[in-house]
Amino acid sequence: KQEVTQIPAALSVPEGENLVLNCSFTDSAIYNLQWFRQDPGKGLTSLLLIQSSQREQTSGRLNASLDKSSGRSTLYIAASQPGDSATYLCAVMMQGGSEKLVFGKGTKLTVNP
Amino acid sequence: ETGVTQTPRHLVMGMTNKKSLKCEQHLGHNAMYWYKQSAKKPLELMFVYNFKEQTENNSVPSRFSPECPNSSHLFLHLHTLQPEDSALYLCASSQEPGLGAYNEQFFGPGTRLTVL
Repeated sequence: KQEVTQIPAALSVPEGENLVLNCSFTDSAIYNLQWFRQDPGKGLTSLLLIQSSQREQTSGRLNASLDKSSGRSTLYIAASQPGDSATYLCAVMMQGGSEKLVFGKGTKLTVNP
Repeated sequence: ETGVTQTPRHLVMGMTNKKSLKCEQHLGHNAMYWYKQSAKKPLELMFVYNFKEQTENNSVPSRFSPECPNSSHLFLHLHTLQPEDSALYLCASSQEPGLGAYNEQFFGPGTRLTVL
């Protein structure tokens, strides 16, 4: 059974700091890995999707990497801003069947002005 | 806001009530999903529908009854719920299974359900 773990569970940093969020998964039979952002009480906003054949994806100040063989991904946020405060979720899409997403519990990020 | 909408956004119900959650997608997708997000737990897949047919039920109690009348609409009918069913219920859609890595899911804003 696939298990997705996100470390740390919560992170508080001062504005302007670069930071890294970690995600690990136990089953490497995945199609892709996706990072989402969730604001309190809201739905999910997709940030980056990395195909299993890719090593990284970049969007603005965000960079996500994937090492499928070791079951790890990182989300790097450069020059953090208070508006980046949210919960960040990592999810992997399982191969076969309904291609379902398996999520981690998330990392709650607070960027202090 | 995405091309997936959900109503209502907030719902408070008693344990003896019957209510329904609605999801609509405007993306021309053929697969739709219900997820549950409880406090302190990861998002959990509940049901999957492909081309209006249910293809996955993740051991969900029968007090949750999904309905998919067409590829654009998905309902979750609720009856005799328990307080522990209070959660954020998220709907998602995707093009269709079989596309593998390209079957990206798009999420709605969710319905915050409170069962008293």
